[in-house]
Amino acid sequence: DADVTQTPRNRITKTGKRIMLECSQTKGHDRMYWYRQDPGLGLRLIYYSFDVKDINKGEISDGYSVSRQAQAKFSLSLESAIPNQTALYFCATSDSTAGQGLYETQYFGPGTRLLVL
Amino acid sequence: DQQVKQNSPSLSVQEGRISILNCDYTNSMFDYFLWYKKYPAEGPTFLISISSIKDKNEDGRFTVFLNKSAKHLSLHIVPSQPGDSAVYFCAASSDSNYQLIWGAGTKLIIKP
Repeated sequence: DADVTQTPRNRITKTGKRIMLECSQTKGHDRMYWYRQDPGLGLRLIYYSFDVKDINKGEISDGYSVSRQAQAKFSLSLESAIPNQTALYFCATSDSTAGQGLYETQYFGPGTRLLVL
Repeated sequence: DQQVKQNSPSLSVQEGRISILNCDYTNSMFDYFLWYKKYPAEGPTFLISISSIKDKNEDGRFTVFLNKSAKHLSLHIVPSQPGDSAVYFCAASSDSNYQLIWGAGTKLIIKP
């Protein structure tokens, strides 16, 4: 079974619709992240959460919101989807007690491909 | 302006030969660098990393070299195997700003 799961894997929606992408993990990690990937660009950080009560904006948070419902669950919402939010979205987790402080390895889910028409 | 650049979108290498993937960065505050590997329909997986206090880190067939003066790092894969065919991302981070900054990726194709 996958340690980091994302639902849905693919989604087509229309401009103006609200959409939620969900991420669950069974790794027991405290830190979770949402990234988007666009063609020709690297992954860009949208939001990250170091624990249930700690939510932080990333590089490109405008137009997005998140909810950390539990240590294992981190959801990304697009309140009013627009076409330039069409992208591949990845959730990731890391364990702050492992590795070297800020530089612990991140573990990624399989991604959600979102198309906004 | 991209702070981490992978200027080769793709690279084709014969099986058994060395694969060299390159990455350049502009931010001198970066002090930790990582390589991730990504197969189609999967998320990236961590491959190898290097701290700025080192100039080389080796893990089996994979070696990362860091040239701080040139702001350049490279990933060497020796010998290349068919299973190495994937997209490779370079990423960097600094202690002062916890975010991984990613390159656009290089698609490596290993020819049999």
